[in-house]
Amino acid sequence: QVQLVQSGAEVKKPGASVKVSCKASGYTFTSYYMHWVRQAPGQGLEWMGIINPSGGSTSYAQKFQGRVTMTRDTSTSTVYMELSSLRSEDTAVYYCARDGRALVDVWGQGTTVTVSS
Amino acid sequence: EIVLTQSPGTLSLSPGERATLSCRASQSVSSSYLAWYQQKPGQAPRLLIYGASSRATGIPDRFSGSGSGTDFTLTISRLEPEDFAVYYCQQYGSSPGLTFGGGTKVEIK
Repeated sequence: QVQLVQSGAEVKKPGASVKVSCKASGYTFTSYYMHWVRQAPGQGLEWMGIINPSGGSTSYAQKFQGRVTMTRDTSTSTVYMELSSLRSEDTAVYYCARDGRALVDVWGQGTTVTVSS
Repeated sequence: EIVLTQSPGTLSLSPGERATLSCRASQSVSSSYLAWYQQKPGQAPRLLIYGASSRATGIPDRFSGSGSGTDFTLTISRLEPEDFAVYYCQQYGSSPGLTFGGGTKVEIK
């Protein structure tokens, strides 16, 4: 079955970087774009950006430009999201989610990132 | 940038009742690109409706979506205990990629 499995929870200090992974299985990895969406505690969903696993092209939300980098490894069917210069406001659950052609049809289980001194 | 406004913020209903959730866009949205998700505490969102009115795989027929232009509705015909959750509408576009509404919490009255 189609599945997205994310890496485990992270605790980081302000100013540090975090890299979250998302391993896809059950479908052709390079055939579907992948989104990253985050959710701060008790808040709604916020889109961060998208990556094309085939060619590696990316598009980021303006809010995260310069701080986020999305990459992929086709040999392991894994996408990565790295967020730098972390601040307390970046404390959130980070989700990868498959783009199923104008809809988001499969989500990872989420990775909790806590930024605290 | 399109803004999605969901109302009400919280809906207090009893099992068996009908739930009507609204999603209003700041400008016209293609129906093809409007979706609804359900999220329960500690879980990832789950796709319910796409293309404004098409049910995703495995979604019971008590869930239905309708609307066009700037006004969209998610209806749950008879609430089951497992339906109490937060619901988000979402628009898929090029700038930015995805836009979500603020969510409607359906709670047990």
